[in-house]
Amino acid sequence: AQSVAQPEDQVNVAEGNPLTVKCTYSVSGNPYLFWYVQYPNRGLQFLLKYITGDNLVKGSYGFEAEFNKSQTSFHLKKPSALVSDSALYFCAVRDMERGGYSTLTFGKGTMLLVSP
Amino acid sequence: EAGVAQSPRYKIIEKRQSVAFWCNPISGHATLYWYQQILGQGPKLLIQFQNNGVVDDSQLPKDRFSAERLKGVDSTLKIQPAKLEDSAVYLCASSLGPSGTDTQYFGPGTRLTVL
Repeated sequence: AQSVAQPEDQVNVAEGNPLTVKCTYSVSGNPYLFWYVQYPNRGLQFLLKYITGDNLVKGSYGFEAEFNKSQTSFHLKKPSALVSDSALYFCAVRDMERGGYSTLTFGKGTMLLVSP
Repeated sequence: EAGVAQSPRYKIIEKRQSVAFWCNPISGHATLYWYQQILGQGPKLLIQFQNNGVVDDSQLPKDRFSAERLKGVDSTLKIQPAKLEDSAVYLCASSLGPSGTDTQYFGPGTRLTVL
């Protein structure tokens, strides 16, 4: 069965500093990987995805993520955090081997708090 | 482009009552999903539609939950009768197709409180 682990419940960073939100995954085949962000009382907003190709994926709002197959990780990064980046971040995985009918499995989420 | 629309945004009911949620996906999106997000957890898939057919409802508690997408566009999710543990945010999402590469876009959700 596929799964996603987000080992940190909360990440604290000062505005202007780089941020990293960690994600590791487990699938039987090759993964499709996604990051979403959720602001209070809002649905999930898509940030970026890894399907194939370059291991460094760039997404919305200056975020990027690095796919590392040997470490089964897909950490979310941003060079310079903004207070407005404070939100709940979800990593999700789909098993490529199962094609379109595999479930998108989410991690439990990591709260990012950026202090002024 | 309009996003995924959901209504109502909030609903409070007593246990054993029934409730229904409505979702209108992004225009042209053939695949529609309903998720349940319990506080402190990630979303969990309840049911997936491809056009008006059910693709996956393995996680749907069918004794109390039902969903339909009759014309392949709008969808409704119903709970009858509701239990306390059904308190959660119900998220609707849509994608162009069922491919694993297709991005799912989410609506704002309906927050259900069962008293």
